[in-house]
Amino acid sequence: QKEVEQDPGPLSVPEGAIVSLNCTYSNSAFQYFMWYRQYSRKGPELLMYTYSSGNKEDGRFTAQVDKSSKYISLFIRDSQPSDSATYLCAVREEPGGSYIPTFGRGTSLIVHP
Amino acid sequence: EPEVTQTPSHQVTQMGQEVILRCVPISNHLYFYWYRQILGQKVEFLVSFYNNEISEKSEIFDDQFSVERPDGSNFTLKIRSTKLEDSAMYFCASSEALPGGEGETQYFGPGTRLLVL
Repeated sequence: QKEVEQDPGPLSVPEGAIVSLNCTYSNSAFQYFMWYRQYSRKGPELLMYTYSSGNKEDGRFTAQVDKSSKYISLFIRDSQPSDSATYLCAVREEPGGSYIPTFGRGTSLIVHP
Repeated sequence: EPEVTQTPSHQVTQMGQEVILRCVPISNHLYFYWYRQILGQKVEFLVSFYNNEISEKSEIFDDQFSVERPDGSNFTLKIRSTKLEDSAMYFCASSEALPGGEGETQYFGPGTRLLVL
């Protein structure tokens, strides 16, 4: 069964902290990895996506994929109160396979001033 | 900035009633999706739609569900006979291209919260 596990939190950090958010998945068919941010009463917003293993950086955000351990991470540097939201990881098979995404439950992040 | 809109924001209905949830995707997008999120649970894919037909659907999307693009701007999800377990937030999304292609990013609407009593 395709499964993605994510600690729901909440994770509470002080402003300026480095945040580490993580997911594990069980199916090696997943090749495409995404992170979404969801503010309260809003739809998910795609933050980053990566294909296969490695790191990808975008401003204060870094996505990391370790396919050997089926572990994906999102790091947020210099966290801000505006980063307070629920962060969802999502995975799906590679292009050509099913593009149905499988989401994690989301981790609630609170960045306090 | 263009955005996906959804109406209504909240819908309360009685079990067994039909509901129609409406979405206006971003105007130049060609691919449309419905997801749902039961309170406290994961976002789940329901269906994708392109060129006036369903491209892919999940096990959740049974005969009680249907989708339609009745005109050039709206995209609807109909639940024929609602059940208590249909209570959830329903998100519409749209993208320029299919996942895996250039322009594949899905833009989500704010959701419709459906409560079935």
